[in-house]
Amino acid sequence: QKEVEQNSGPLSVPEGAIASLNCTYSDRVSQSFFWYRQYSGKSPELIMSIYSNGDKEDGRFTAQLNKASQYVSLLIRDSQPSDSATYLCAVLNFGNEKLTFGTGTRLTIIP
Amino acid sequence: ETGVTQSPTHLIKTRGQQVTLRCSSQSGHNTVSWYQQALGQGPQFIFQYYREEENGRGNFPPRFSGLQFPNYSSELNVNALELDDSALYLCASTHGRGAYEQYFGPGTRLTVT
Repeated sequence: QKEVEQNSGPLSVPEGAIASLNCTYSDRVSQSFFWYRQYSGKSPELIMSIYSNGDKEDGRFTAQLNKASQYVSLLIRDSQPSDSATYLCAVLNFGNEKLTFGTGTRLTIIP
Repeated sequence: ETGVTQSPTHLIKTRGQQVTLRCSSQSGHNTVSWYQQALGQGPQFIFQYYREEENGRGNFPPRFSGLQFPNYSSELNVNALELDDSALYLCASTHGRGAYEQYFGPGTRLTVT
């Protein structure tokens, strides 16, 4: 079982709709969770961090964390063509200072 | 812009050679982590440095080594290059011990032939 799992996609969403990206993780001691956006040929860009169960909203982005289910998600409202990218889920375990990434979900917003 | 810079942007090396990649962290960010990202994969943790000492290492062989300097710059050295070392190498910095929110540089694309 992979430590951090994401659906590789591609996920296609019409412009203006809500894009929903999901991530599961295997290590129950994981304490911090991050979403990165990566455009083709570029480096990952941090867009959201979440540390506690529940929802965290920042503009059009909402991160959701459920530690009991070991599940973290990212919602993008009013999707724009510029949101087309690969979204990477990352998990931190404070015990070993290691940030573990999933393989990413490729999102395409259709105009 | 994250304030993290990397050099060179691209590099082509031959199998068996050695390479040094450089990273300059944002001022005040005393923790730097290095990652390897193969095509179609997520970044893989190589190691982390905090105040010039190694502070965690991933599953990479000893031929991957690093240094961090007092001026917030760091190096990744890879000896005896193999074809599978071809990847995007990323450094990320953060303030304080531990990973927390990490900000990536633009990366160095290494091709080993």
